[in-house]
Amino acid sequence: SQTIHQWPATLVQPVGSPLSLECTVEGTSNPNLYWYRQAAGRGLQLLFYSVGIGQISSEVPQNLSASRPQDRQFILSSKKLLLSDSGFYLCAWRQGPTEAFFGQGTRLTVV
Amino acid sequence: AQKVTQAQTEISVVEKEDVTLDCVYETRDTTYYLFWYKQPPSGELVFLIRRNSFDEQNEISGRYSWNFQKSTSSFNFTITASQVVDSAVYFCALSEAPKRSNDYKLSFGAGTTVTVRA
Repeated sequence: SQTIHQWPATLVQPVGSPLSLECTVEGTSNPNLYWYRQAAGRGLQLLFYSVGIGQISSEVPQNLSASRPQDRQFILSSKKLLLSDSGFYLCAWRQGPTEAFFGQGTRLTVV
Repeated sequence: AQKVTQAQTEISVVEKEDVTLDCVYETRDTTYYLFWYKQPPSGELVFLIRRNSFDEQNEISGRYSWNFQKSTSSFNFTITASQVVDSAVYFCALSEAPKRSNDYKLSFGAGTTVTVRA
């Protein structure tokens, strides 16, 4: 069966520090991978998605970047965090037009 | 461009009442997919249902039912006889057919927070 792992679960980082959130999927090949952000009390904002290794589509220009170094690994990064980067980050995978399956999320607080 | 609108920000009901969540979508594609997800307080998104644009048949699953109407671009969700455990944020989502191979973008509405009071 397929599983998705996302870590860490919570993170508190100072302004200006770097960020690296990792997401890995098991039990499937060549999935579409997604990063979403949810600000407190808000909806899901699509940040990046990837249809294959090294292929990244950015939805919103911002302080973040994404990379897909391996088929089932998706990384969200920042060189210098801003206060506005705080939020709940969710990774998801899907195969074609099927439903997406989400990780448990990372709550990031930038202080 | 694809867009999903959930006009209801919050809904509060008393247990055993029915609650209907509205979802209106915009797309120029004839092939697309609609979804509903539940986000309980723990934060993880739970998949509830998928509908493709060629299947307008309504569906019932236990206390949940969905009404898909292409004529009004709506995909509404009803919880019958609500329970406290139904308290969560509910999201509607849309995925158009890919413009490139395997390029399936998935866009969510803003979500509706449902609070069921005992």
